[in-house]
Amino acid sequence: DGGITQSPKYLFRKEGQNVTLSCEQNLNHDAMYWYRQDPGQGLRLIYYSQIVNDFQKGDIAEGYSVSREKKESFPLTVTSAQKNPTAFYLCASRPNGEWGTEAFFGQGTRLTVV
Amino acid sequence: AQTVTQSQPEMSVQEAETVTLSCTYDTSESDYYLFWYKQPPSRQMILVIRQEAYKQQNATENRFSVNFQKAAKSFSLKISDSQLGDAAMYFCAYRSWPSTGTASKLTFGTGTRLQVTL
Repeated sequence: DGGITQSPKYLFRKEGQNVTLSCEQNLNHDAMYWYRQDPGQGLRLIYYSQIVNDFQKGDIAEGYSVSREKKESFPLTVTSAQKNPTAFYLCASRPNGEWGTEAFFGQGTRLTVV
Repeated sequence: AQTVTQSQPEMSVQEAETVTLSCTYDTSESDYYLFWYKQPPSRQMILVIRQEAYKQQNATENRFSVNFQKAAKSFSLKISDSQLGDAAMYFCAYRSWPSTGTASKLTFGTGTRLQVTL
């Protein structure tokens, strides 16, 4: 079945450690997105990518990094520079050429930093 | 930059009744897309309905319909015959018309939590 897979579902890390969240899609979508969700703040865009080896900063990119070496994969690294990393992270994708198509979302990763 | 505002943090509706969720947005663009997403307790984002800005006709999907007022930059969601399964967070989202060479941003509002009561 086609879809977007985020792993792990729950992730615990010690303060000061970098951590990488996985996002894989087999929908053959070009564009991929990372969002952070906090209570009362909705979804805020961290990074997005249109094609392989290309990505742009979103509204809250500080303390995060991404790579797009393969079309299917768009991993997000939460670095120690991110001041408040505990949150729910959502990955999404959509095809570039179908302008009216909505974004499809993974099931999310809940990151807790202790 | 585009912004999306949902001014109702929480709403409540009785089963079988109708409820309207509000959304306003700010943009200088003439062409764009608007979406309503539903996020149930499972936290899976599910598309409810979409609207293309160049279409004057309001979108409808079964019990869900929108009131799109382009000049007022308003995009409200009406849920008719509310069901218990409609209880969820609802997010309004704006997507820019795509331009060559860049992925279009998808901007979300802060959400409205809808409670459905018996």
